[in-house]
Amino acid sequence: RKEVEQDPGPFNVPEGATVAFNCTYSNSASQSFFWYRQDCRKEPKLLMSVYSSGNEDGRFTAQLNRASQYISLLIRDSKLSDSATYLCVVTLNSGGYQKVTFGIGTKLQVIP
Amino acid sequence: EAGVTQFPSHSVIEKGQTVTLRCDPISGHDNLYWYRRVMGKEIKFLLHFVKESKQDESGMPNNRFLAERTGGTYSTLKVQPAELEDSGVYFCASSQLGQGAWNEQFFGPGTRLTVL
Repeated sequence: RKEVEQDPGPFNVPEGATVAFNCTYSNSASQSFFWYRQDCRKEPKLLMSVYSSGNEDGRFTAQLNRASQYISLLIRDSKLSDSATYLCVVTLNSGGYQKVTFGIGTKLQVIP
Repeated sequence: EAGVTQFPSHSVIEKGQTVTLRCDPISGHDNLYWYRRVMGKEIKFLLHFVKESKQDESGMPNNRFLAERTGGTYSTLKVQPAELEDSGVYFCASSQLGQGAWNEQFFGPGTRLTVL
């Protein structure tokens, strides 16, 4: 079983739609959780952190469910510019530092 | 402020040759990480430097890979001899030092390595 699992998609959605991605992780000791965004042939960039209490940033909402070991990302009112791959990132304490594990990424294509 | 830079952006080499990738982290970032993405797979951790010391190199595939960070500034990743399966995109990332806590990792644009 992969440490971090994501549906690679692609998710093709029309502009204005709401889309949600989930990501599951296998290690219950995982400490921190993030969504990164990666545009085609670019580097990953931090989109937002994920907390149990939920985290909202404009049209983006992230949520952590520790009991079920999954995190989610909700994008409301999708824009063409949201088209990208969304990477689920989980960290684990390793020797006093945070070791990072990436999911394969979910590809989102917003269609006009 | 300059971000993480990597050189070269692309490299095409033949099997058996040697390639050296370079990463310049954000100034003042003591943490430096190397990752690799093979086509169709996840981005995988290779190793982590804290200043000039290797904190974790558990992700290095084999002894054909050698990473250095002399002086605790830029880092190099040498592959010698390169094999076909080494093809992929090699990302470098850096972050501020914060033992036990997360500090955002900033990624470089990556080096796309193709081994023929």
